[in-house]
Amino acid sequence: GQQVMQIPQYQHVQEGEDFTTYCNSSTTLSNIQWYKQRPGGHPVFLIQLVKSGEVKKQKRLTFQFGEAKKNSSLHITATQTTDVGTYFCAGPLGYSTLTFGKGTMLLVSP
Amino acid sequence: NAGVTQTPKFRILKIGQSMTLQCTQDMNHNYMYWYRQDPGMGLKLIYYSVGAGITDKGEVPNGYNVSRSTTEDFPLRLELAAPSQTSVYFCASSYGGFDGYTFGSGTRLTVV
Repeated sequence: GQQVMQIPQYQHVQEGEDFTTYCNSSTTLSNIQWYKQRPGGHPVFLIQLVKSGEVKKQKRLTFQFGEAKKNSSLHITATQTTDVGTYFCAGPLGYSTLTFGKGTMLLVSP
Repeated sequence: NAGVTQTPKFRILKIGQSMTLQCTQDMNHNYMYWYRQDPGMGLKLIYYSVGAGITDKGEVPNGYNVSRSTTEDFPLRLELAAPSQTSVYFCASSYGGFDGYTFGSGTRLTVV
């Protein structure tokens, strides 16, 4: 079935450094969603991208959807310890559900 | 709004026992889902429902059953628990199939 692949699997940064996670699909996606899961918590919806080449910002977070709608990225500027968690991308699976990537775990050292 | 409520939060089962994981949402969402999350493996879809009375299998349905008698409730039934079902289970809901999901806080299940 359709899959979305995320890289890297894990990243450890110093507070203040930037962070980027990438999501790739072998097929064109109608949309892509991003979620954040804090350690011991549940996934929380961050954003949905629909248009080719779309860029959306949420404070220090920048989300991009590729021109071919096969890849996406999440960039965090000047990370803070509150950014710690696992970031998941998710793409459509069939007509009614999502398939999730395995996630990128972000650790931020003060 | 409470959002999506899951019970119990933790449970230990013995091999061969059965249990029902409860999930309730108060957002009048049509779509509801059950995912399991294993370490490093992301979220795998077990079952989903697009409305009351309608359910369908996801990627990993074996060993589980669901029902959707009301819009609000979507219980997940485990029959004959096996160690492979040790996992964290998340229920989620959305208004439409491709809208953002609201997740419950999860049930951590251990089968021994």
